[in-house]
Amino acid sequence: DSGVTQTPKHLITATGQRVTLRCSPRSGDLSVYWYQQSLDQGLQFLIQYYNGEERAKGNILERFSAQQFPDLHSELNLSSLELGDSALYFCASSGGPRQPQHFGDGTRLSIL
Amino acid sequence: GQQLNQSPQSMFIQEGEDVSMNCTSSSIFNTWLWYKQEPGEGPVLLIALYKAGELTSNGRLTAQFGITRKDSFLNISASIPSDVGIYFCAGQPRQGGSEKLVFGKGTKLTVNP
Repeated sequence: DSGVTQTPKHLITATGQRVTLRCSPRSGDLSVYWYQQSLDQGLQFLIQYYNGEERAKGNILERFSAQQFPDLHSELNLSSLELGDSALYFCASSGGPRQPQHFGDGTRLSIL
Repeated sequence: GQQLNQSPQSMFIQEGEDVSMNCTSSSIFNTWLWYKQEPGEGPVLLIALYKAGELTSNGRLTAQFGITRKDSFLNISASIPSDVGIYFCAGQPRQGGSEKLVFGKGTKLTVNP
C-alpha cells in the first residue's frame, strides 16, 4: 500500500461529458502529481501541485484542469471528453524534490 | 523533449535466471527510479538513485545510476514467479529543476516456473 488513495477506481462515461478524479496524497506529502497512462503514449506527466499551488505543467490538454485543496487532496477535472481520453490516470505524491514519487492505484476512465 | 529508451521490451525467462534491463537517454537526468507495475495497480517504487555512479540494492534487485547521468540499469537475480510484471525506468530531468518524471515504455517480464 503506497498510502496514495485514488477514487473512483473505474469511471465509464460518454463523449462530451465531464468527470472529476480525486487523489489523497500520503500523509505529510505536499506535492501531488498527475499522470496519464495509455497504450500508445505510455506514462505521461500532466501537472504538479505543491501545497496548493501549481508547480509544473506537462502535456495537459486545455480541457483538463486540476487543483489542490487546503487539506492537500487534489482533483483532476476532465471536460468535453473524447474517445481518446480513455486511459488510466494516476496520482503520485512526494515529500519534496529529492524524495521519490509514490503512486496510487489509478482511475481507469472509459469513454463510450 | 526528453525520452527514455528502455530495453528490452519483453523478456521470457525461466525461474532462477538473472534478468537485466536498461534505460538510456540523450538528456541528463538528476534522478533515476525503477518501478514495477502489476495489472490493476499503480507503479510501485523499487529503487531510487540520486548520484551519478550510485549502485543500490533492494533484496534481489540492483540498480545503477550511470556515470554520464544518461543511463541506468536494473538487475534481478534468481528470478521467481512473483517477479512477473512490467518494469519501468523513470528519470527526473536536470533542466529547470523539474520534478516531473519521464518514463520509459517498460519491460514486460514473464517468468516460467
